[in-house]
Amino acid sequence: GAGVSQSPSNKVTEKGKDVELRCDPISGHTALYWYRQSLGQGLEFLIYFQGNSAPDKSGLPSDRFSAERTGGSVSTLTIQRTQQEDSAVYLCASNLNRGTEAFFGQGTRLTVV
Amino acid sequence: DQQVKQNSPSLSVQEGRISILNCDYTNSMFDYFLWYKKYPAEGPTFLISISSIKDKNEDGRFTVFLNKSAKHLSLHIVPSQPGDSAVYFCAASRFGNEKLTFGTGTRLTIIP
Repeated sequence: GAGVSQSPSNKVTEKGKDVELRCDPISGHTALYWYRQSLGQGLEFLIYFQGNSAPDKSGLPSDRFSAERTGGSVSTLTIQRTQQEDSAVYLCASNLNRGTEAFFGQGTRLTVV
Repeated sequence: DQQVKQNSPSLSVQEGRISILNCDYTNSMFDYFLWYKKYPAEGPTFLISISSIKDKNEDGRFTVFLNKSAKHLSLHIVPSQPGDSAVYFCAASRFGNEKLTFGTGTRLTIIP
């Protein structure tokens, strides 16, 4: 597709379960970002990939959060033992290189019940 | 530590008038700034950007101004249209660290 694609668009999970969120960036974009937006909050940085490596993962809130990127393309954000405070919209973005705008996907709305 | 701040959570402007959204930053290493617009249930979409070597960038109805000494940037929308009603985020990055640091957003409402 032409844009950043995220799946699923919505996910409801029980507290304590693990979830995986997927991001397909724009083809050829080397940089990939994960952000989240909690209710009434701004965009919180989670992790940044350049190719398959993550030079900045400083925003991951706890060791329950991890992310990987394979083939310089698809990325998966995994949240283990989900908690209610993990409920948020998780947004993925990609860009070609520095100095160009990042394009966002529509996000995955995660609800932990 | 909020390095990018949008101190006005909301703003209402009459249709046809100028909308001015403000953003302040604390990190003097930031050298690239962007504005994004976000509608409900959608991802943010890029509006306009500016490099620190410039103090103004214009694109149609949108103009971004950068005042490096004050660590302040603003987005001007003129004339404002109903479709401009959205949440606006400013973002910044610095050379050597590609992540975008976002402000908390300003909800702009254009009154017909």
